[in-house]
Amino acid sequence: DAGVIQSPRHEVTEMGQEVTLRCKPISGHDYLFWYRQTMMRGLELLIYFNNNVPIDDSGMPEDRFSAKMPNASFSTLKIQPSEPRDSAVYFCASSFSGRDTEAFFGQGTRLTVV
Amino acid sequence: GENVEQHPSTLSVQEGDSAVIKCTYSDSASNYFPWYKQELGKRPQLIIDIRSNVGEKKDQRIAVTLNKTAKHFSLHITETQPEDSAVYFCAASKRAGRRALTFGSGTRLQVQP
Repeated sequence: DAGVIQSPRHEVTEMGQEVTLRCKPISGHDYLFWYRQTMMRGLELLIYFNNNVPIDDSGMPEDRFSAKMPNASFSTLKIQPSEPRDSAVYFCASSFSGRDTEAFFGQGTRLTVV
Repeated sequence: GENVEQHPSTLSVQEGDSAVIKCTYSDSASNYFPWYKQELGKRPQLIIDIRSNVGEKKDQRIAVTLNKTAKHFSLHITETQPEDSAVYFCAASKRAGRRALTFGSGTRLQVQP
């Protein structure tokens, strides 16, 4: 398996533009997590899904952020409109509940909003 | 919710010395405690984890201890090597794989050759 795959790896966008980050979890994993990493706030959970259903979105900072998981192999995190303070590295992670395995992280998307 | 505190924020040791990183957690219901290593520009990668039914776990040069009563756990790296230099994060959750992780703030470990 290729692991958790995120795209794009880097994104530079202008303030006010819509940004969509993509994630493909490891096949067979039933949990998917979106984390954000910044120097100021560290690694923080934004939202997570179980079997494509959002379970906890209390970490989503504002209504500008939304996430979907239309099927077991794909998830998106959208920011609209984007702001400079959204600049961060966004990680997607997945795990398999059947064996209580650890969460495997994707390579991350480095977002810069100018 | 869970709160995880991690110390120290930076740690510099000489090659061959030991390094210890400590974390405390607030939610007594947490029962899974992983440690992740993150190299510059890379993803966090699990190096060791421990569940609450175990007090200590060791994997070669890395060991983790857990004190449930005091709600703290520690990472021990022996015979450090320059390639151990990275940022280390502790985390806690209520159920491995089924719950989101609450991370500590990270420790930047520098191993001087």
